[in-house]
Amino acid sequence: GQSLEQPSEVTAVEGAIVQINCTYQTSGFYGLSWYQQHDGGAPTFLSYNALDGLEETGRFSSFLSRSDSYGYLLLQELQMKDSASYFCAVMRGSTLGRLYFGRGTQLTVWP
Amino acid sequence: DTAVSQTPKYLVTQMGNDKSIKCEQNLGHDTMYWYKQDSKKFLKIMFSYNNKELIINETVPNRFSPKSPDKAHLNLHINSLELGDSAVYFCASSQDSSGRARGQFFGPGTRLTVL
Repeated sequence: GQSLEQPSEVTAVEGAIVQINCTYQTSGFYGLSWYQQHDGGAPTFLSYNALDGLEETGRFSSFLSRSDSYGYLLLQELQMKDSASYFCAVMRGSTLGRLYFGRGTQLTVWP
Repeated sequence: DTAVSQTPKYLVTQMGNDKSIKCEQNLGHDTMYWYKQDSKKFLKIMFSYNNKELIINETVPNRFSPKSPDKAHLNLHINSLELGDSAVYFCASSQDSSGRARGQFFGPGTRLTVL
């Protein structure tokens, strides 16, 4: 089986930086993904880390430490539109697309 | 241009009925998925198909039967609906069966309510 832990809620103000942590326990770990979901919307892909280190894409960065079974999503220069749920998801196995999601972190950005 | 589309968007039905949800992707992807998201937003994979062949079945009750007539379509048929089936069902696709580098693309979801 697998388990993923991430905070249920995070709040921040516009312009701030927020980090959403994710710790996981799973067999056959292959990589860690992050998805964003606005209320009533579909999950959208943000990032994927298979190797240790930081991946940067615009205002969002994602980090992975395989030895610590830990990753985080860093959101910079927060905007109101960033208010959403953020899910970490582990990829198990190299070719079968087995994606298992955490329970999500609700980010609220205040003006 | 819709990448992954699902119909219907909303489905309200009585317990015991049989219903289907359709999914189509125009991205040319090889792999398609069905996910269930419950009222607490927990998103769980149900099935995955690669080039019309089933590759993942996550211990879903056999009342749920996916069908892939071609690699652009993955439909979900549900028999004898139960109250616990109420959820949002998302279809997704990815370019290959790993779905890792570019992620999985999700459809808009179908909100199923069983009364």
